[in-house]
Amino acid sequence: DTGVSQDPRHKITKRGQNVTFRCDPISEHNRLYWYRQTLGQGPEFLTYFQNEAQLEKSRLLSDRFSAERPKGSFSTLEIQRTEQGDSAMYLCASSLEGSGDTQYFGPGTRLTVL
Amino acid sequence: QKEVEQNSGPLSVPEGAIASLNCTYSDRGSQSFFWYRQYSGKSPELIMFIYSNGDKEDGRFTAQLNKASQYVSLLIRDSQPSDSATYLCAVNGGGSNYKLTFGKGTLLTVNP
Repeated sequence: DTGVSQDPRHKITKRGQNVTFRCDPISEHNRLYWYRQTLGQGPEFLTYFQNEAQLEKSRLLSDRFSAERPKGSFSTLEIQRTEQGDSAMYLCASSLEGSGDTQYFGPGTRLTVL
Repeated sequence: QKEVEQNSGPLSVPEGAIASLNCTYSDRGSQSFFWYRQYSGKSPELIMFIYSNGDKEDGRFTAQLNKASQYVSLLIRDSQPSDSATYLCAVNGGGSNYKLTFGKGTLLTVNP
């Protein structure tokens, strides 16, 4: 499978716990994006990387959220001290610079905070 | 705030009919426009992208873009029950703004 992969696919945690999600983009893609989607809404942008540089962060990304892409390949999204409002589908997408920036999504990680 | 508006639906069409999905956007600087299909509980799947005014056809799908009216649409010909899904319109900001702004999606139901 050469598409975007995400791990885990589902995560159930208790309020106050920390969680970390991983995204592996399509291998030649140098841009990587994180979005969050709640029921009945379209995905909302969180942050994006070009290679290893984090170039933009949404106001939605509070201090409890941090994302990294240390070697310009896979990325991690960590949420500290989770809250029930963090329950959502976390989507990762990747694109290739110069390709019209067409973004392809991974299967997502569904987070449930109890 | 940049916005993308879609009718939430549901839009119900009989099998074999043409489904027409519409989207308007607020940012005149937007350059790239995308349609994604999302089945319940799944992630968005790219259907079409369009950059230039006019029509772009790919199989049973046609995307239409009118930048002057800030309007983009998706036509699905010969609709099939397997087309039943939520269709998301997405717009990127243009220039060095690569993030996508999505509408809330239109739920399409194709009845056998």
